[in-house]
Amino acid sequence: DAGVIQSPRHEVTEMGQEVTLRCKPISGHNSLFWYRQTMMRGLELLIYFNNNVPIDDSGMPEDRFSAKMPNASFSTLKIQPSEPRDSAVYFCASSPAVGGSGANVLTFGAGSRLTVL
Amino acid sequence: KQEVTQIPAALSVPEGENLVLNCSFTDSAIYNLQWFRQDPGKGLTSLLLIQSSQREQTSGRLNASLDKSSGRSTLYIAASQPGDSATYLCAGITSGTYKYIFGTGTRLKVLA
Repeated sequence: DAGVIQSPRHEVTEMGQEVTLRCKPISGHNSLFWYRQTMMRGLELLIYFNNNVPIDDSGMPEDRFSAKMPNASFSTLKIQPSEPRDSAVYFCASSPAVGGSGANVLTFGAGSRLTVL
Repeated sequence: KQEVTQIPAALSVPEGENLVLNCSFTDSAIYNLQWFRQDPGKGLTSLLLIQSSQREQTSGRLNASLDKSSGRSTLYIAASQPGDSATYLCAGITSGTYKYIFGTGTRLKVLA
């Protein structure tokens, strides 16, 4: 398996523009997570899905952020409009199942580095 | 709200030393716990997973343990090498939730 695939790897945009980040989880994994990493706040969970359904979006900072998972092999995180404080590395991760049962290993993608000018 | 603290925040040691990195959770009801490694500008690589029925895991020179009564975990690195230099993060799933919450990380530098 190619692992968790994210695109783009780098995005530079101007304030006010729409940003769409994409993620392809590992085939067969039922859970998908979006994290944001900054120097100040570390790694924060934004939202996670189980079987394509959003389970917990309490970490989404504002209504400007939205996430979708239209099928088991694709998810998007959208920021509209973007602001300079959104600059961060956004990680997508997937795991075989939600919860603490079994070998529920979380596997990360390489991340999308977003810079909003 | 679950909070995870890692101590020390940064560590610099000469090659060959044995190391202990610490991780503690405000809510001790931890289900699964994972330790990750992150190299600068890279993603996170899973090192060890301690499942709900386990108390420790070993992989090569790494050993991780979890004390569920106190909500504390330690990562032991034996005979450290310069290639071990990275940031190490712990993450746990608390009973009743389904999300991994991450610690603040320990930046490790092993000097040749």
